[in-house]
Amino acid sequence: DAKTTQPPSMDCAEGRAANLPCNHSTISGNEYVYWYRQIHSQGPQYIIHGLKNNETNEMASLIITEDRKSSTLILPHATLRDTAVYYCIAVLKSSGDKLTFGTGTRLAVRP
Amino acid sequence: DGGITQSPKYLFRKEGQNVTLSCEQNLNHDAMYWYRQDPGQGLRLIYYSQIVNDFQKGDIAEGYSVSREKKESFPLTVTSAQKNPTAFYLCASSGSSFDVIGKLFFGSGTQLSVL
Repeated sequence: DAKTTQPPSMDCAEGRAANLPCNHSTISGNEYVYWYRQIHSQGPQYIIHGLKNNETNEMASLIITEDRKSSTLILPHATLRDTAVYYCIAVLKSSGDKLTFGTGTRLAVRP
Repeated sequence: DGGITQSPKYLFRKEGQNVTLSCEQNLNHDAMYWYRQDPGQGLRLIYYSQIVNDFQKGDIAEGYSVSREKKESFPLTVTSAQKNPTAFYLCASSGSSFDVIGKLFFGSGTQLSVL
């Protein structure tokens, strides 16, 4: 499974868009990109996933570059409740994948 | 409500003692996972199971054991061989179809501390 790289920390102002990058330069054609977030002392929560097309749901948008080597999670109007650690992982389509998480990006939303 | 339940929320281990963390899901998921999280760190995979009666070691399996006798249950035993067991333990499950295999549902975690 492809290794992902994320910046350790970011911040943004409340009400502005938060753009969280993820590098996955070794991703294969059979690997999805998944995003999760973890609020302190809770289990991570699924946000969104995609293969090659951009995706949007009620929580966020996911932009995947055409070469699939990187992606960006967009929180369009960040609130204080979006302060969390965000994880980007690459997951093989087939079963048996280990689903390994890295250290993620700690996002701080400023009032 | 469907979900994944971990118990207990807090657990204390004495020196040389084995302790078992419970994880139960009623989501009818085939796959289940155990992760360890140390303060300020990411999640590290201990064990995972894709099907009943089968499981594989993750990245940090030493000092831990699991069983998968029922689809709904995936208990983790922290043995006395695990010399630094203090951590937050998270259990997760997922479906097995290709488009949702990475969509994990997590429990609320167990904080294990050594007395």
